[in-house]
Amino acid sequence: EAQVTQNPRYLITVTGKKLTVTCSQNMNHEYMSWYRQDPGLGLRQIYYSMNVEVTDKGDVPEGYKVSRKEKRNFPLILESPSPNQTSLYFCASSFSRATGANVLTFGAGSRLTVL
Amino acid sequence: GDSVTQMEGPVTLSEEAFLTINCTYTATGYPSLFWYVQYPGEGLQLLLKATKADDKGSNKGFEATYRKETTSFHLEKGSVQVSDSAVYFCALGEGRRALTFGSGTRLQVQP
Repeated sequence: EAQVTQNPRYLITVTGKKLTVTCSQNMNHEYMSWYRQDPGLGLRQIYYSMNVEVTDKGDVPEGYKVSRKEKRNFPLILESPSPNQTSLYFCASSFSRATGANVLTFGAGSRLTVL
Repeated sequence: GDSVTQMEGPVTLSEEAFLTINCTYTATGYPSLFWYVQYPGEGLQLLLKATKADDKGSNKGFEATYRKETTSFHLEKGSVQVSDSAVYFCALGEGRRALTFGSGTRLQVQP
């Protein structure tokens, strides 16, 4: 089944404790992206990757890192989480980003709470 | 920059009622327009899309028409079901830029 898989789905952590949210897709998609969803704000892009070893900042990149060493994986790293990073995170992918018409496939989401 | 404005929710309807969720956009060029749906506990999934003016996207009884003159892409369904209860997001995609999402509209359908 074609899908985007995120782990963990739920995580409670404490301020400053490094964590990684993994994302993997099995569709050979070039483009991958991370979003955060907050009430009343919709989805905001954190980072994206056009292809292996090519990453760039989205609208809200502060406090996050990413890497794209393999085509299928795009982990989101919080080096020193803070309470304002408490949110619902989504990984998404598409075949390419060549045009605005490409459809994104989303993972099921990872709910992160930082105490 | 690009932006998407959706009507605020929640929208509460009885089963078999007519649904409209308004969406208007601002864009510099000629974007593609999307409706995504998020069911409880799940990620977003594409509901329908339209890539040029006057196109009508449709799926599962939902429809939306790309209206360039009013910069709108309103979502409609003639008869909603309890299973349609979800959060609906309007979005636009332009060139290589990231999708721009609206803030989402929660729909609650009561039996």
